[in-house]
Amino acid sequence: SQQGEEDPQALSIQEGENATMNCSYKTSINNLQWYRQNSGRGLVHLILIRSNEREKHSGRLRVTLDTSKKSSSLLITASRAADTASYFCATYSQGGKLIFGQGTELSVKP
Amino acid sequence: NAGVMQNPRHLVRRRGQEARLRCSPMKGHSHVYWYRQLPEEGLKFMVYLQKENIIDESGMPKERFSAEFPKEGPSILRIQQVVRGDSAAYFCASSPSVAGNYNEQFFGPGTRLTVL
Repeated sequence: SQQGEEDPQALSIQEGENATMNCSYKTSINNLQWYRQNSGRGLVHLILIRSNEREKHSGRLRVTLDTSKKSSSLLITASRAADTASYFCATYSQGGKLIFGQGTELSVKP
Repeated sequence: NAGVMQNPRHLVRRRGQEARLRCSPMKGHSHVYWYRQLPEEGLKFMVYLQKENIIDESGMPKERFSAEFPKEGPSILRIQQVVRGDSAAYFCASSPSVAGNYNEQFFGPGTRLTVL
């Protein structure tokens, strides 16, 4: 079964607005990660939040984790056109393999 | 300290040919993971290797696909007799030990395979 599921699947906003993406997962986790992928490119690791953390910040990124609801959110504040990309959440399964969600495609219009 | 290297970055093959994808992990990393990303989809785990050992190949198709990580040299993902459905981006990631609680996986730029 798919571990991480993001919503919305696609999000279009204006530059300067905030973007919020959500991720749900099914099994217990030790940590959850968010990645960005620009079109046709590789993955860029954004942030890792551990299961004993509720919120984490990194620059314009804010990630929350609610283990009781098995969900996480990624907030990008004051978005820029350069934030246009696909965003994936991922959790570790047994043996260290990452289970990725389908991703949210974010489009930030200038 | 160079990151994870993958080559080639783009590979074009005709149906029935073989595709060989290479991954050099980060220095000091002995654990390699391969993932496949089909168009418009997220990444799916294929195989996890340590030096000279396949640890978990539960995501590998049963036929035509194989992987190795020799004592010396890069990890190789081999696809025999490619078909159009093999067209995808293949990503390699490495970690210094078993990825999980406190060890991140570091991803390479990927190899984009196109099967004509």
